[in-house]
Amino acid sequence: DTEVTQTPKHLVMGMTNKKSLKCEQHMGHRAMYWYKQKAKKPPELMFVYSYEKLSINESVPSRFSPECPNSSLLNLHLHALQPEDSALYLCASSSRLVSGNEQFFGPGTRLTVL
Amino acid sequence: AQSVTQLDSHVSVSEGTPVLLRCNYSSSYSPSLFWYVQHPNKGLQLLLKYTSAATLVKGINGFEAEFKKSETSFHLTKPSAHMSDAAEYFCVVSDKSSGGTSYGKLTFGQGTILTVHP
Repeated sequence: DTEVTQTPKHLVMGMTNKKSLKCEQHMGHRAMYWYKQKAKKPPELMFVYSYEKLSINESVPSRFSPECPNSSLLNLHLHALQPEDSALYLCASSSRLVSGNEQFFGPGTRLTVL
Repeated sequence: AQSVTQLDSHVSVSEGTPVLLRCNYSSSYSPSLFWYVQHPNKGLQLLLKYTSAATLVKGINGFEAEFKKSETSFHLTKPSAHMSDAAEYFCVVSDKSSGGTSYGKLTFGQGTILTVHP
């Protein structure tokens, strides 16, 4: 299995809702990433997990809460989001958190905040 | 520090003609370089990667790129464009450093949108 899966594909939520995004990989990768991508822009790194521990937080607002329950699974919990948080959220994985390693991306979750 | 400049925001070609997408990079260390493709409303797919082996790198779907250290370039080419190549392409650099604020991170160019006309 050489893919990263993400659910749901689409999500619409109000500003008071709580929702979660899910990402899964079965490649034995030990580094997993969350990115946010706005239209016509490159992905922006949000969080990095290495061996199930949070290694990098790119000063993301606390309304985004990541979780890595095991080596195959990565969640992003969402609460009290703003309309400007609407974007494509991409998950990625790599074999290790080492500079120079390629990352493998999932198809993304298209999030709309009303 | 690492950075990437994609020299064209849009490239338009006719089907069957060559494709050239230009990328220049800046890196404090020996870099790894990647090209990713993103079709509309999809995730990113790795086309090819350079990691200090051969300077001419072959990727999927007939794409290739040449690493030129003297020019700090990593341009993407394809001899003959197909309609299915229409997408956005990102040039990406990752420093192979042992530390620093960019450790483990990918730095993306701003992207080049490729349009293929019949």
